[in-house]
Amino acid sequence: SQQGEEDPQALSIQEGENATMNCSYKTSINNLQWYRQNSGRGLVHLILIRSNEREKHSGRLRVTLDTSKKSSSLLITASRAADTASYFCATDSKGYSTLTFGKGTMLLVSP
Amino acid sequence: SQTIHQWPATLVQPVGSPLSLECTVEGTSNPNLYWYRQAAGRGLQLLFYSVGIGQISSEVPQNLSASRPQDRQFILSSKKLLLSDSGFYLCAWSYTPGLAGPQQFFGPGTRLTVL
Repeated sequence: SQQGEEDPQALSIQEGENATMNCSYKTSINNLQWYRQNSGRGLVHLILIRSNEREKHSGRLRVTLDTSKKSSSLLITASRAADTASYFCATDSKGYSTLTFGKGTMLLVSP
Repeated sequence: SQTIHQWPATLVQPVGSPLSLECTVEGTSNPNLYWYRQAAGRGLQLLFYSVGIGQISSEVPQNLSASRPQDRQFILSSKKLLLSDSGFYLCAWSYTPGLAGPQQFFGPGTRLTVL
């Protein structure tokens, strides 16, 4: 079964708006990662947050982690059309060497 | 810098035919290697991972097998393809645990259609 579950499944916004995606997971983790996938391409790592961190920033990305609720959120501020992609969370609950991915949130940013 | 290659990019195969997908990594040594499958509109399913030459762990019992004949080469195979093997196959690598962070680096993928 999927460890991470993102919601919403799809999100459509206008350029300049913020986009928020959520991820829930079931078991204890050492870290949680977010990846981006453009249509028909491989995944690209965006950001990693460790279990002892609550918030992390990278450029226009802000990630939060609430281990008590087993949830994380990814905020993309001032979105651009180029942010259109699918976004996946991934957890390492099975061990350091492997990741379990959710089904992803498909983000569409319209000009 | 490190790069990861996959080929072929696309493949159309008849049911019952064999399969061989190849993945190679450049610019790093002793990487962890991974094969994932992604069905349309779905997340990634881990199929196999390898921490060293000849060391393969299978996550899902199925019609596929994997091999790692060289340090930076990972091959996904099947003797007889099924319709359900269609999907987008992604290879990824990560550093050996402890050397760097656990993030994975993905190849461009192979789109497999079984008819």
